[in-house]
Amino acid sequence: DTAVSQTPKYLVTQMGNDKSIKCEQNLGHDTMYWYKQDSKKFLKIMFSYNNKELIINETVPNRFSPKSPDKAHLNLHINSLELGDSAVYFCASSPPETLIIQYFGAGTRLSVL
Amino acid sequence: TQLLEQSPQFLSIQEGENLTVYCNSSSVFSSLQWYRQEPGEGPVLLVTVVTGGEVKKLKRLTFQFGDARKDSSLHITAAQPGDTGLYLCAANDYKLSFGAGTTVTVRA
Repeated sequence: DTAVSQTPKYLVTQMGNDKSIKCEQNLGHDTMYWYKQDSKKFLKIMFSYNNKELIINETVPNRFSPKSPDKAHLNLHINSLELGDSAVYFCASSPPETLIIQYFGAGTRLSVL
Repeated sequence: TQLLEQSPQFLSIQEGENLTVYCNSSSVFSSLQWYRQEPGEGPVLLVTVVTGGEVKKLKRLTFQFGDARKDSSLHITAAQPGDTGLYLCAANDYKLSFGAGTTVTVRA
C-alpha cells in the first residue's frame, strides 16, 4: 500500500491554465506538506498543514492555494500557471510525535508550456 | 543563502570504490537527516543524527554528526550501482530545510 500518494504523476499544461494536484496519506499522520523541487534538484517547503490548519506558508505566490478537506488529504491548486512553475511538486507527511521525520510521495512533474 | 551546503555536487565512481558526501553549515542544529532520492521518486529518509559526534551505520553507509552539530558526512563503503541517487541532507529550524544535494552515480 502506498503511504503518501499523489495524482497525477505528470501534468503538462499551457501557460495561464489552472490546475490541481491531489495528495492523500494513509499513515494516520496529522501534518502534511507541499514541497517544490526545481530543475537543480533543490527541494524547498511551500506549505505545511496540521490537522487541516495552515501552519507554514513560505514565500509562495498567492496563485498557489493549498486545501486540506481532512487531515489525510492536502491538495494544491495553482491558478494562472507560469513557465517558472515548471518543477516537481512533492507532498509529504509527518507522524504526530515528530515533525522531523517526513514521508514523501513520488512527486508530480509539472511542465508549463 | 542556503542554510546547508552540500559537496560535492556530483560524484561518479566505479563499483567497489568508497565515497564521502559532506553537509556543512554555520548554524547549530538539534538534529540532521540524510535522505536518498532515486529518479522519479520522492526522498526516502535514511537516518537522523541527534548527538554531536554521533556515528550511525546502516549496512555500508556510515553517517557522522560533527561535534559542534554544524556539519555531517555520509560515507559509503564498496559502493554498488544500487547506491546511485541524489543524497540530500536536511536540518530542522521550525521547518525542514534541505541542502542542494549530491548526485551520486556508481558505474558497474
